[in-house]
Amino acid sequence: EVQLVESGGGLVQPGGSLRLSCAASGFTFSSYWMSWVRQAPGKGLEWVANIKQGGSEKYYVDSVKGRFTISRDNARNSMYLQMNSLRAEDTAVYYCAREGNRDVGIDYWGQGTLVTVSS
Amino acid sequence: QSVLTQPPSVSAAPGQKVTISCSGSSSNVGNNYVSWYQQLPGTAPKLLIYDDNKRPSGIPDRFSGSKSGTSATLGITGLQTGDEADYYCGTWDSSLSAGGVFGGGTKLTVL
Repeated sequence: EVQLVESGGGLVQPGGSLRLSCAASGFTFSSYWMSWVRQAPGKGLEWVANIKQGGSEKYYVDSVKGRFTISRDNARNSMYLQMNSLRAEDTAVYYCAREGNRDVGIDYWGQGTLVTVSS
Repeated sequence: QSVLTQPPSVSAAPGQKVTISCSGSSSNVGNNYVSWYQQLPGTAPKLLIYDDNKRPSGIPDRFSGSKSGTSATLGITGLQTGDEADYYCGTWDSSLSAGGVFGGGTKLTVL
């Protein structure tokens, strides 16, 4: 059974940092592109970033470029999102997601972890 | 403002059919595969359609997808009260700021 479990969310002050983790199981992690998708309270889905199987390609939404870094450790079946210079507008539930299909076709989602940026 | 445009809401009676549109451009919908997701309140999204019109195993054939040019459509027939949810389209955008994109979401109400 495919499982994606996020951790690392919480309350952080504006300008602060947080590192999210995603533990994957039930599939060959190293064979898939992986994504982070977020959802602000009461709002729609927003794709944040993704990373190729070996980590050689990474893409980001413009609003997080230069502040967020996506990475993965295939030996640990894990993906990460390092978030720096956090802003109030980064407040959201962050989902770890597996791209099982073409063009960011996400076939599995984690349960999400809430990040709140507030003073 | 989302890159992909969806109607904010649609509604229909149980048993009826509804369609949800997703309008984009040549850099996204027009040249990349579209996926559709259902999000029930308080839960993570669930894949309904991938590669424009394919259904994952376990998704009933009441759900269908199609695409023409820069617009995609999700169709749901035989509406059930359990279909009340938010629906999102998504794809890759191949423009200079390449990345994934979603529609703003459509709230389906089954009257």
